[in-house]
Amino acid sequence: AQKVTQAQTEISVVEKEDVTLDCVYETRDTTYYLFWYKQPPSGELVFLIRRNSFDEQNEISGRYSWNFQKSTSSFNFTITASQVVDSAVYFCALTYSGSARQLTFGSGTQLTVLP
Amino acid sequence: EAGVTQSPTHLIKTRGQQATLRCSPISGHTSVYWYQQALGLGLQFLLWYDEGEERNRGNFPPRFSGRQFPNYSSELNVNALELEDSALYLCASRKGEWNEQFFGPGTRLTVL
Repeated sequence: AQKVTQAQTEISVVEKEDVTLDCVYETRDTTYYLFWYKQPPSGELVFLIRRNSFDEQNEISGRYSWNFQKSTSSFNFTITASQVVDSAVYFCALTYSGSARQLTFGSGTQLTVLP
Repeated sequence: EAGVTQSPTHLIKTRGQQATLRCSPISGHTSVYWYQQALGLGLQFLLWYDEGEERNRGNFPPRFSGRQFPNYSSELNVNALELEDSALYLCASRKGEWNEQFFGPGTRLTVL
């Protein structure tokens, strides 16, 4: 069975702190994709990153960075120098070759950045 | 390039009625997905349409149905509404086999 676990339900940090959101996944497929989405209070899911199972290179995009480790089935997301506008629910998701490419989502992490 | 659009933004119905939600994908995207985000249940896959056909459905009863039109827009119908159908319904479109899905702003359905 495919599953995505985001153990952190809520995280609260003060502006300018670094914060890491954890994501652990389970899949029997060797070919799969992992994603991170952001859902601000408006409700629309905003795509942040896609990573395939064959590419374990970490990625940095501005204040965002992602650490993909197949050995621990984890795909963690770090925000450096957090800002109030980063406050949102963040979802990790998985799609796999045995599916119709629908996304299996984790339960989400509510991040609150305090001024 | 216009993003995924959904209508209406909000929909209020009473139990037993039918609801129709609409989605227009990004131009050039042929696959449309529907997800339900109910309080306490997270984001759950509902339906997938591609090239006008229903390709897969999630663990939802048959009263959740829909279709995809020749222009790739899609409609989600929910019959015999129940209180627990109250949720945010998100539509997403995708181009290509492994590409990311892009989401619309959602339709918030309230069943009274």
